[in-house]
Amino acid sequence: AQSVTQLDSHVSVSEGTPVLLRCNYSSSYSPSLFWYVQHPNKGLQLLLKYTSAATLVKGINGFEAEFKKSETSFHLTKPSAHMSDAAEYFCVVSPISYNTDKLIFGTGTRLQVFP
Amino acid sequence: GAVVSQHPSWVICKSGTSVKIECRSLDFQATTMFWYRQFPKQSLMLMATSNEGSKATYEQGVEKDKFLINHASLTLSTLTVTSAHPEDSSFYICSARGSAYEQYFGPGTRLTVT
Repeated sequence: AQSVTQLDSHVSVSEGTPVLLRCNYSSSYSPSLFWYVQHPNKGLQLLLKYTSAATLVKGINGFEAEFKKSETSFHLTKPSAHMSDAAEYFCVVSPISYNTDKLIFGTGTRLQVFP
Repeated sequence: GAVVSQHPSWVICKSGTSVKIECRSLDFQATTMFWYRQFPKQSLMLMATSNEGSKATYEQGVEKDKFLINHASLTLSTLTVTSAHPEDSSFYICSARGSAYEQYFGPGTRLTVT
C-alpha cells in the first residue's frame, strides 16, 4: 500500500534560518512525489514535484527537495526562511508516475516563522 | 493561469437541509475534477472523481446518495451534500486536472452543519 508520513506536525524557525520539513513515503512502484503549500483560506499551491528525473528538485520560492530512494524520503528544504513562508505544507505521493489522479496526502506540517 | 475557484467559501446550514458547493476552473477546461474532504489536523481524503458528462467515481466508503456530484460543463463541477448532519461538517476542497496531469486546487469550502 502507498502512504506518506510527515514526521513533524509543527516546525518553528526564525526568519533567515534554514527550513527542513521531513517526509517519508511508501510505494510499491516508482512514485511521483509532490510538495504543496496551503496558506490560510487559500488553495493548495504546488511547490515542486519529482517524477523520476533528477533526484534534486528545485521549486518555487527557493524551496527544493531531494528524492532519496534508499531512505524513502523526500524532505523539503529552504536555506533561509521568510515570514511569508508561514503556512501548511503537504507532502503528496502519486503511486503511478505521470498519473496524478490518485494523490495520497500526508497529514501536513505547519511552519511557523518568527521574526 | 490555472486558477480554480470555489463558492461559497464558508457556509452554515441546519441539519437536514442540502448544500451545494461549486468548483470552477477559471482559465482552463477541465474534463476531470476531484473532490476532497479535510478534517481538522488531518490530511485531504479523496471523495470522488468527477468527469464531465458522465457519472462520478466515488471512493470506497463515500455515500454517493449523500454527496451528489455533477460535472455538467468543462469548467464547473458541483458537490451537493444532501440531508446534511453535523458529522458532515468539514472542509471540502476541489481540484481540476490541467495539462501535464497536474491538479490545481480550489481554496476550499468550510461547511458547518448545526
